[in-house]
Order: sequence, then structure tokens, then C-alpha cells
Amino acid sequence: GENVGLHLPTLSVQEGDNSIINCAYSNSASDYFIWYKQESGKGPQFIIDIRSNMDKRQGQRVTVLLNKTVKHLSLQIAATQPGDSAVYFCAEKTDSNYQLIWGAGTKLIIKP
Amino acid sequence: DTAVSQTPKYLVTQMGNDKSIKCEQNLGHDTMYWYKQDSKKFLKIMFSYNNKELIINETVPNRFSPKSPDKAHLNLHINSLELGDSAVYFCASSQEGAMGQPQHFGDGTRLSIL
Repeated sequence: GENVGLHLPTLSVQEGDNSIINCAYSNSASDYFIWYKQESGKGPQFIIDIRSNMDKRQGQRVTVLLNKTVKHLSLQIAATQPGDSAVYFCAEKTDSNYQLIWGAGTKLIIKP
Repeated sequence: DTAVSQTPKYLVTQMGNDKSIKCEQNLGHDTMYWYKQDSKKFLKIMFSYNNKELIINETVPNRFSPKSPDKAHLNLHINSLELGDSAVYFCASSQEGAMGQPQHFGDGTRLSIL
């Protein structure tokens, strides 16, 4: 099947710097993309989503960028804080499918 | 108020036993899901129900049987538990599952098979 994958399994970032977590997808028919944050001992928590008719969407301290030409998705976290330490997942779906296709996850580590 | 709640949070049991995990959502969503997360954090969809009807049934052993008494509940019953069933099981819900809406997750049930 087609997969959503992440370039880096672990990312270490200095506190206060910006973090960029990348995700590659292979299904050109995917039209909905979503980022989740999973803290230790908790379930995945929705961060931000984007539809294929957009290439950028901003939330509070987070920005998702979608490049459909190269099938690439990224999550940018501004001024990274200790509370941002977690595993981040990207996921994709097509309009005709109830199922989300999940990436493998990237662990974000914040250095003091 | 907890949006998606699962019970129990921890489940330790012997191989061969039968166990159930319960899930309830108070978000008024139409679609509910069960996921299995392994030790490497990989999330795998197991089942999905939309308005009490099964819409996704991935390659899951038939020892796993979901039951949805109403659209706010999706329980998971597991027969003859095996060592490989040890994992964290997450319940989730969403509105309009096919239309691209965020899924909301419970905090998981950590199943350990002895």
C-alpha cells in the first residue's frame, strides 16, 4: 500500500528555536493531511490539518506547509518549548476513504 | 469533561484469557475507531464504525470483535489473548469520517499479556 513516511525518526532542537518536522507521502490522490502530537502515556492529540486546496495553514505557534508537487508535508513549531516534547505523526487520507494513513512518527526532543 | 474515554487504562492478564476494552465518546460523532500501537509507536487501524455499522475491518484476527451498541460506544472484545496482542489500544472518534475531519483519541489501554 502507499505510505506516509517521515524523514527523521528523532529531532533534537534547542529550546526557543523553531522546529521543522517533515513528512513525505506517496498517494497523489490524498486530499486531507493532519498532524498529531502524542505525549508520553497519552493518546494522539490533534494539532492542525490542511486540505489539498491549500499550501499553508497557520495555528497558534504552528504552521503546516503542503507541497503537492513533491508530495511533502511539514510542521513548523515556532519558539519550541519543553512542553513540545512528544512524538509527532502526520497522516493523510483520500476523500473516498474513511481511513487515515499514518506515518511512523518523529520524536521531538527539546534541549535546555 | 473527557471527550473520548477508554476503560481500563491498564490491563494485565494471562495468555489465553478473554478480555474487553470499553470506549465512549461524548462528542456526538458518527464514526469511531480502534487502533493498535506497537512498541515502536506505529499506529495501525483495526476497525471503524459509522453510525453503528462496520466500515473498516483491517486484517485483524477474528479473535478481535468490535461491538457498537450505539454510536457513542465502541467496545473491543478479545478472545484467547496471545503474547503478540501486548500493545496500547486507542479508541478514537470523528465526525463525517470520510470527509476529512480530525479524529479525537482516548488516552489508550495498555494491554500486557503474561
